[in-house]
Amino acid sequence: QVQLVQSGAEVRMPGASVRVSCQASGYSFTNHDINWVRQAPGQGLEWMGWVRSNSGATGYAQKFRGRVTMTTNTSISTAYLELSGLRSDDTGVYYCARDPNLDAFDLWGQGTMVTVSS
Amino acid sequence: QSALTQPASVSGSPGQSITISCTGTTNNIGIHNLVSWYIQRPGEGPKLIIYEADKRPSGVSSRFSGSKSGNTASLTISGLQTEDEGDYYCCSYGGTSPTYVFGTGTQVTVL
Repeated sequence: QVQLVQSGAEVRMPGASVRVSCQASGYSFTNHDINWVRQAPGQGLEWMGWVRSNSGATGYAQKFRGRVTMTTNTSISTAYLELSGLRSDDTGVYYCARDPNLDAFDLWGQGTMVTVSS
Repeated sequence: QSALTQPASVSGSPGQSITISCTGTTNNIGIHNLVSWYIQRPGEGPKLIIYEADKRPSGVSSRFSGSKSGNTASLTISGLQTEDEGDYYCCSYGGTSPTYVFGTGTQVTVL
């Protein structure tokens, strides 16, 4: 079954870091980029960045540069999002999504809820 | 980049057609056809319904169609059905870095 399975919900204090994982199965992981998209409660979708699964090259939205790191581990077909310096407005659902070389996102993970609260 | 502009809500009766607009700039929608559309139903993740402005992925109903003119992309849903209710988002390749930008989202209600 072709799918992306993300890690479970996280709760962090302000100023802390969080790492979310996204494991691919059912397709060749290294053939496609993984993008990360977040959604604050009751709000719209916000693109955060992409990571090239085979090389580890990255591109980040300007808003997150300096705080975000996206990586992959090809041996276990897993992509990671790490966000540091967490603030309350980082609370939301974080999705990984595959780009099948179409500049569109055809396969999405189930989402990971990250709550930042003191 | 600023979010692409979509109407906050659009509604229609079953069987009608509706169109959702997505307005960008000459830095994104205006310079290529790399526009995609997604539906997000309550409690679910987004689902791709249109890519490259007017192409449908396998398995997506032909009632969904996309188009683009200048800096504006559009999604038309014909033969509206209750299952079409949800939030719709456009997304465009930004052209630099590379980056992507989503639209503000449109809530579709079937009356």
